[in-house]
This record gives sequence, C-alpha cells and structure tokens, in this order.
Amino acid sequence: DSGVTQTPKHLITATGQRVTLRCSPRSGDLSVYWYQQSLDQGLQFLIQYYNGEERAKGNILERFSAQQFPDLHSELNLSSLELGDSALYFCASSGEVPGSGSPLHFGNGTRLTVT
Amino acid sequence: GDSVTQMEGPVTLSEEAFLTINCTYTATGYPSLFWYVQYPGEGLQLLLKATKADDKGSNKGFEATYRKETTSFHLEKGSVQVSDSAVYFCALGINTGRRALTFGSGTRLQVQP
Repeated sequence: DSGVTQTPKHLITATGQRVTLRCSPRSGDLSVYWYQQSLDQGLQFLIQYYNGEERAKGNILERFSAQQFPDLHSELNLSSLELGDSALYFCASSGEVPGSGSPLHFGNGTRLTVT
Repeated sequence: GDSVTQMEGPVTLSEEAFLTINCTYTATGYPSLFWYVQYPGEGLQLLLKATKADDKGSNKGFEATYRKETTSFHLEKGSVQVSDSAVYFCALGINTGRRALTFGSGTRLQVQP
C-alpha cells in the first residue's frame, strides 16, 4: 500500500460531461502529481502541485484543470469529455521538493470510461 | 527535452530464465533513474533507483546500473518467476528545476510456468 488514495476507482460517463477525480497524498507529502495512462500514449505527465501551488504543467489539455487544497488533497477536473479522454488517471505524491529527482508514490488510479 | 526509451514488449520468458529490459535516456542535467513496476489493476510501485553514474540499484533480485557513458539503465534479473509478470517502466528525474518524472512507454513481461 503506497498510502496514496484515489477515488473513485471507476467512472463511466458520457461525452460532453464533466467529472472530478480526487487524490489524497501520503501523510506528510506536500507534492502531488497527476498522470494519464492510455494504451497509445503511455504514461503522460499532466500537472504538479507543491503545498497548494502549481509547480509544473505537462501535456494537460485546457479542458482539464486541477487544484491542491490546504489539507493537501488534490482534485483533477475534466470537462467537455471526449471519447479519447478514456484512460487511467494516476495521482502520485512525494515528500521532497519538486525537482529533487526523488521517487514518486502512486495511487491505484481512477479508470475513466467516456461513452 | 528529457526522454526515456524502452524496448518494445511484450517480453515472454519461461520461469527461471534471465531477464533484460533495455532502457536508454536523454536528459539535460544530472538525472536520477528509476524502475517502476505495475501489476494488473494496481498503480506503479518503485522497484529500484540510482542517483548517480555507476550506482547500482537493486531490489527483489532485480538490478540496474546507471551507465552515463551509454546513457542506459537496463533492468536485469537472473531468474524470473511467474509472479514477476507485470509492466515495467523506466523513468528519470532531474535534480534541478521544476520537472516531474519522465517515464518510458513501459515493457510488459509475461513469465510462463
């Protein structure tokens, strides 16, 4: 058990809808990362937060947004969903400052299916 | 930019066979290197890491050596088991700046009894 909790485990929704994915990092970890894993794109970095502040952006679409709250949990919001957004979304956390090259601890992911 | 290239899978081996999964990288700066493993239905778990050239990371019988001259971090295991069947990801992390880990595309390993 990595200590990172993601909810829900599965989500099925229709195109055009909006969903929110939630992540609770390991106790004491200040950094949260979001990754998207799809069959054809592999594991793609979306966005990173450190202690409530956005620190880095990867291949995140404008339809997607995220935030990290004062209690350090994070939410990833996906709107105007398209079929191609179907994927596994992983949250990861780290106890060290961003850019330290330290390992990440992953949750079990949320599987999003857009129909 | 930073990138990681892994050998294509799936890799299919018989139990007790020798395993090598190749990984090469391109990076500016001095990266740390990692291998992660993903079992079916689970998230990625850190398998081993190396933080500087010539370091050898090891865990659960798996090993990888950080080779700066060949920019490689190949994963090896002397005798695989059925329980090693999973997807293996090579990744790099830069020790400066605000960058998250960069992952390779993953290599699926299937071990047959």
